[in-house]
Amino acid sequence: QQQVKQSPQSLIVQKGGISIINCAYENTAFDYFPWYQQFPGKGPALLIAIRPDVSEKKEGRFTISFNKSAKQFSLHIMDSQPGDSATYFCAARVRFQKLVFGTGTRLLVSP
Amino acid sequence: DTGVSQNPRHKITKRGQNVTFRCDPISEHNRLYWYRQTLGQGPEFLTYFQNEAQLEKSRLLSDRFSAERPKGSFSTLEIQRTEQGDSAMYLCASRPRGEGVTGELFFGEGSRLTVL
Repeated sequence: QQQVKQSPQSLIVQKGGISIINCAYENTAFDYFPWYQQFPGKGPALLIAIRPDVSEKKEGRFTISFNKSAKQFSLHIMDSQPGDSATYFCAARVRFQKLVFGTGTRLLVSP
Repeated sequence: DTGVSQNPRHKITKRGQNVTFRCDPISEHNRLYWYRQTLGQGPEFLTYFQNEAQLEKSRLLSDRFSAERPKGSFSTLEIQRTEQGDSAMYLCASRPRGEGVTGELFFGEGSRLTVL
């Protein structure tokens, strides 16, 4: 119940395209769903986050879509750029508890 | 630099040796977390401190692992009698009191352990 399942494991997108990464969860007590971005040799950094009372959150080229009934959420990267090439992790947390991470998606944006 | 600082960044050791990692969180953050990340996987929770109190430990944290946070400031993670399976990136993260604006965890750059 504490797992967050993430797909795909890897993704190649052309520059300017849309990158889509999906996550699913079982624990309905999760109340916070962030996405973290990690570059090689660096720690993860928060990209964007959503709480389950909204269905979509957009920040620049990054959008989280949240489907509470399906217990799924996804990250959309519009106009993908080579600088977006990184590993992306979805995560979830029960209030005041630890973050549980997905297994990650390695994104490569080709020039 | 006011971010989370971890030392050493890379440690190579022989099986059976003890290693210790240090984490200096962002100064006003009272919550500190240790995670472990292996190649191709997401970070896995190890343990959590609120001030100096260790409030939660994962089943991943065997009796060879010990973490401390004296005086609620920096933290250390010690691994005794290292095994090759301990090879991983050890990530430290901190968070301020309360939920903050975003509930964000601030990660350090990690300490990579290689056990030969």
